[in-house]
Order: sequence, then structure tokens, then C-alpha cells
Amino acid sequence: LAKTTQPISMDSYEGQEVNITCSHNNIATNDYITWYQQFPSQGPRFIIQGYKTKVTNEVASLFIPADRKSSTLSLPRVSLSDTAVYYCLVGDLGNYGQNFVFGPGTRLSVLP
Amino acid sequence: EAQVTQNPRYLITVTGKKLTVTCSQNMNHEYMSWYRQDPGLGLRQIYYSMNVEVTDKGDVPEGYKVSRKEKRNFPLILESPSPNQTSLYFCASSSGLADEQYFGPGTRLTVT
Repeated sequence: LAKTTQPISMDSYEGQEVNITCSHNNIATNDYITWYQQFPSQGPRFIIQGYKTKVTNEVASLFIPADRKSSTLSLPRVSLSDTAVYYCLVGDLGNYGQNFVFGPGTRLSVLP
Repeated sequence: EAQVTQNPRYLITVTGKKLTVTCSQNMNHEYMSWYRQDPGLGLRQIYYSMNVEVTDKGDVPEGYKVSRKEKRNFPLILESPSPNQTSLYFCASSSGLADEQYFGPGTRLTVT
């Protein structure tokens, strides 16, 4: 099971682009990368998922280099409402139990 | 509206008094999970189920039971709750192994 490492916390200002990097040196061939967002006292919410290169949706982009040993979640022009904890998950496509191992996450604080 | 519901949302109980937290999803998802969240420890998976009558242990199954008699329901049972089970509990479901999980609103349990 690939272990992930993320910064514990980050600060940013409104309107800035925020990049949160997750290290997963032991990522396996069948593993994919998923990011979730969690607000206080709410369940996590799916943000984006990818296997390699770049994935973009309406809220974020996910950059995965060729070696896949890390990934970067990019949030464009953050607002105060983006203050939350962000989790990077690495999971085996064939193993449901492994798919959703949440680490401590990165606590993002967006300041005015 | 597609959703995962949990009941109760808040519960205060005493040590040893059996309780059940219900979880129901209306998305016809095959996969369901239970997590607990504690400060500094992130989300930890308790049990998961890949289909009706198929359940398996997650990272912290001790002191918990689950059942999956119907596809939509996945109750969490604490036969003899103890204070160390005081936590915030989340139920989640997904349609496939690698698909995003949808989380319920959470159940805050206090065991005195």
C-alpha cells in the first residue's frame, strides 16, 4: 500500500493559485490518485482523480509527473470558502479496501 | 436527490449500551464503508462492503459490527460501546472500485 506524505498545513490569500503536493514514492502500477476536500463536521467530498499526466475539471487540476511518485493538486484563484482539509489518496484499482486510506491531509487556510 | 443518510446525527450514550447507527444510500451503489474521524488521526476505515452479504474489516474494526442485508443499507453496530469509541462517524458509498465515494453527513457519538 503506497504511503502518502502531504504538508500538514498551508496558508494562502484570496485570488491566489494554490498548489498542494503529495508524495507517494511507492506507488504501484495499478494505483491511481484521488483528492478529497473536507469542511469541518462534514464528510469528505471528491475533487479530482487521475492516473498520469494532467487532469482538469471545473474546480481543480491534477498534475502527475511521468514517474508518478508525486502529484500536485492545483486550485486556481482560491476564495475563503476553499478553507478546508485536502486529502491525497493512492489506491489499487483492484482492491476496494485500499482505495480509501486517508492520511492526516493538508489543512488549507485562505486569508482575506 | 442522490444522497447518503445517517441516523442519528448526534448520540450520547453510556458504556455498554448497545447501539446502531444506520446508513442508507439511494444511488444503487455496490460499495459502502464506515469511517471514524478523530482529531489528529484523520479518517480511518472501520468496515467496508463490496456487495450484499459481503463485508470486510478495515483498519480499526475492533468493537464494531456491520451487516449488509440489503444493497441500500449498511448499519454500524456497537454491541458494547466504550468511551474510546467516542468519535465522528461517516458512512460512504460508491458505484465501483475506483469511483468516487459519496459521504454521509456524519454521526457524532459520545460514550460516557
